[in-house]
Amino acid sequence: DSGVTQTPKHLITATGQRVTLRCSPRSGDLSVYWYQQSLDQGLQFLIHYYNGEERAKGNILERFSAQQFPDLHSELNLSSLELGDSALYFCASSPLLDWAGAQYFGPGTRLLVL
Amino acid sequence: AQRVTQPEKLLSVFKGAPVELKCNYSYSGSPELFWYVQYSRQRLQLLLRHISRESIKGFTADLNKGETSFHLKKPFAQEEDSAMYYCALSVETSGSRLTFGEGTQLTVNP
Repeated sequence: DSGVTQTPKHLITATGQRVTLRCSPRSGDLSVYWYQQSLDQGLQFLIHYYNGEERAKGNILERFSAQQFPDLHSELNLSSLELGDSALYFCASSPLLDWAGAQYFGPGTRLLVL
Repeated sequence: AQRVTQPEKLLSVFKGAPVELKCNYSYSGSPELFWYVQYSRQRLQLLLRHISRESIKGFTADLNKGETSFHLKKPFAQEEDSAMYYCALSVETSGSRLTFGEGTQLTVNP
């Protein structure tokens, strides 16, 4: 599968814990985006990386951080988890820094914080 | 800040009927508009975008700058069109981030 992949598919953890979500972009794509989908907030942009560098930040909490590695995969780290962090986290990728270009989404990681 | 509004959370039509999913945006410049579709338990998929002016699976969308709308239309709905549809916007000044609407759940009844 040459599409965007995300692991794990599901994650159940407790409040106060820390988790890491992983994303591998499509082959050749240099941009990686993270989005959070929750019932009350809808789909919200979190952060964008391009070729290892942070390019834009959205409504991302200080407890959350991300990075993109030399092989272009990205990780989203969520710490001091709260019940409200329960959501579906999507990663998307695109080839370039084209603001008008399409983004291609992964299947998401469903996080449940108990 | 830019905003996307999809006024209908739920839309139900019969097979073969025309369908229109509404999308309005607020932005004073020239945005790029997208429609994404999410079938049950699957990932978000790009359906179409304004700049390419293509028709995918019989769906079309026209950008109306006067009304700041980008409604999605299909003349004859099929049962397999049942899905969640999201309108999204991107603007040059905000980089490549997508701003999504709340989504419309389309159900096509037999």
